[in-house]
Amino acid sequence: EAQVTQNPRYLITVTGKKLTVTCSQNMNHEYMSWYRQDPGLGLRQIYYSMNVEVTDKGDVPEGYKVSRKEKRNFPLILESPSPNQTSLYFCASTFGGGAWDEQFFGPGTRLTVL
Amino acid sequence: GENVEQHPSTLSVQEGDSAVIKCTYSDSASNYFPWYKQELGKRPQLIIDIRSNVGEKKDQRIAVTLNKTAKHFSLHITETQPEDSAVYFCAAEPYGQNFVFGPGTRLSVLP
Repeated sequence: EAQVTQNPRYLITVTGKKLTVTCSQNMNHEYMSWYRQDPGLGLRQIYYSMNVEVTDKGDVPEGYKVSRKEKRNFPLILESPSPNQTSLYFCASTFGGGAWDEQFFGPGTRLTVL
Repeated sequence: GENVEQHPSTLSVQEGDSAVIKCTYSDSASNYFPWYKQELGKRPQLIIDIRSNVGEKKDQRIAVTLNKTAKHFSLHITETQPEDSAVYFCAAEPYGQNFVFGPGTRLSVLP
């Protein structure tokens, strides 16, 4: 089944404890993105990647890191989480090539930082 | 950078009526405008999109119109049904894979 997966789905952590949220897609998509969703603010792009080893900042990159060592995986790293990073996070992937821009979203990861 | 505004923030319609959601964007470089539907507790899913070289696109009960001069685009849902109740997001893509979303519209279709 073609899909985007994220793990964990739910996470409660404490300020300053490094964490990684994994994202994987099995559709051989070129492009991948991370978003955070907060009430009243919609989806805000954190980082995106247009190919292996190619990443770029979205609109809210502060406090986050990403890597794209393999085409299928795009982990989101919070080196020192803070309470203002409590949010619902979505990973998404896109086929690429300019013809199809539809983003396929993962199921979401609800993160709480205490 | 790109800024996308979306109105209204909430919308209630009677079943069978039409619903219209409007978005404006600021960056004239944007050339791709998708609309996503997010049901409660679910992930966003694309329902329709339009490119800047097209003024209107329709898919059954859903249509999107784009006015590049005025920098606004709208989602039209006709003959609304209870399953159309969800949060709808518009978005603009000023350059490759940099998507900027609107804040969302919560649509309620009343029976």
